[in-house]
Amino acid sequence: DAGVIQSPRHEVTEMGQEVTLRCKPISGHNSLFWYRQTMMRGLELLIYFNNNVPIDDSGMPEDRFSAKMPNASFSTLKIQPSEPRDSAVYFCASSRDVGGKAEAFFGQGTRLTVV
Amino acid sequence: GEDVEQSLFLSVREGDSSVINCTYTDSSSTYLYWYKQEPGAGLQLLTYIFSNMDMKQDQRLTVLLNKKDKHLSLRIADTQTGDSAIYFCAGIFSGGYNKLIFGAGTRLAVHP
Repeated sequence: DAGVIQSPRHEVTEMGQEVTLRCKPISGHNSLFWYRQTMMRGLELLIYFNNNVPIDDSGMPEDRFSAKMPNASFSTLKIQPSEPRDSAVYFCASSRDVGGKAEAFFGQGTRLTVV
Repeated sequence: GEDVEQSLFLSVREGDSSVINCTYTDSSSTYLYWYKQEPGAGLQLLTYIFSNMDMKQDQRLTVLLNKKDKHLSLRIADTQTGDSAIYFCAGIFSGGYNKLIFGAGTRLAVHP
């Protein structure tokens, strides 16, 4: 398996534009997570899905953020409209529960810069 | 709550031991994890410990778990420059569904 695949790797956009980040989890994994990493706040869990269903989106900062998982092999995180303070590295991770142990595998991340 | 706390920075001399500490508030996690993030990369699982264990050793890595104090530590023996990275502790706490909660990460700097 190629691992968790995120695209794009880098995104530079102007304030007010819509940004869509994409993630392909590892086949067979039933949980998917979106994290945001900044120097100020560290690693924050934004939302996670289990079996394609959003379980907890309490980490989503505002209504400008939305995430979908239409099927087991694809998820998107959308920011509309984007703002400079959204600049961060966004990680997608997936995992599969095996006897209470669930190793999360991370993608390489998308570095978002909003100018 | 699900707070996981770590100190933000640690600087050690090459060849010395590094000890990275983590505390958590919820003791329900079956496993506790240490992840490593190298520059420009995502996080990778480094090691983990089952909650019924006190210690786990894996080559240069030693994980100690004090359940009473809700304290987890990672010791790296003979620290090398290649160990410079950010280290995260994590656990799956009350609520299940594999919700992995991370600490803020400890940035380890190894100098000659």
